[in-house]
Amino acid sequence: DIVMTQSPDSLAVSLGERATINCRSSQSVFYSSNNKNYLAWYQQKPGQPPKMLFYWASTRESGVPDRFSGSGSGTDFTLTISSLQAEDVAVYYCQQYYYTPPITFGQGTRLEIK
Amino acid sequence: EEQLVESGGGLVQPGGSLRLSCAASGFTFSSYWMTWVRQAPGKGLEWVANMKQDGSETFYVDSVKGRFAISRDNAKNSLYLQMNDLRAEDTAVYYCARPSGNTMTGYPYWYFDLWGRGTLVTVSS
Repeated sequence: DIVMTQSPDSLAVSLGERATINCRSSQSVFYSSNNKNYLAWYQQKPGQPPKMLFYWASTRESGVPDRFSGSGSGTDFTLTISSLQAEDVAVYYCQQYYYTPPITFGQGTRLEIK
Repeated sequence: EEQLVESGGGLVQPGGSLRLSCAASGFTFSSYWMTWVRQAPGKGLEWVANMKQDGSETFYVDSVKGRFAISRDNAKNSLYLQMNDLRAEDTAVYYCARPSGNTMTGYPYWYFDLWGRGTLVTVSS
């Protein structure tokens, strides 16, 4: 099974500052035949279900603010929030969908306001 | 509006059974594979099971194989999860989720663009 490891487990960032969350997969999730990374990012606010932010590692889901960006390839990926807003407080998860089943998620990164 | 609404959760004793339901609306349910994902209290997300559009193919996480059964009724736009021989470690919020549309292989890309709000299952004596 592919193991997804996020870092850090928790993060406190000041409003307006940059937040960076990392995700590493135990095997590459890049498929050379279509030049795509099979990696998604989700945001989960307290008491709510997850909400997809990105798929293909960097394709932003409709309605997601452009202060959010996804990057990386192969085994190393990053979710960046360029200017943290109060409403961005949440737990963020990465998920690989290349080697399935099983579909696997990272353990989550809790983002708070400093 | 596309929507998934789960129901059927509750308190059950170890070894007991429970059947969860997920009602879909606002999209063509019969065109999509469907998925159950769970989240133990204070923990991360765990994929549980998938079912193909016509019910002919299913996948399960190893920890529930032989105990859980995913099913669907396309006429009722509903997805189900029959959970038997429940254990304390099955305690979680269970989410119904929709993966992307089909690719040419007949399988979707397994990222989830629609989630329900979940239903809580508590296994305790």
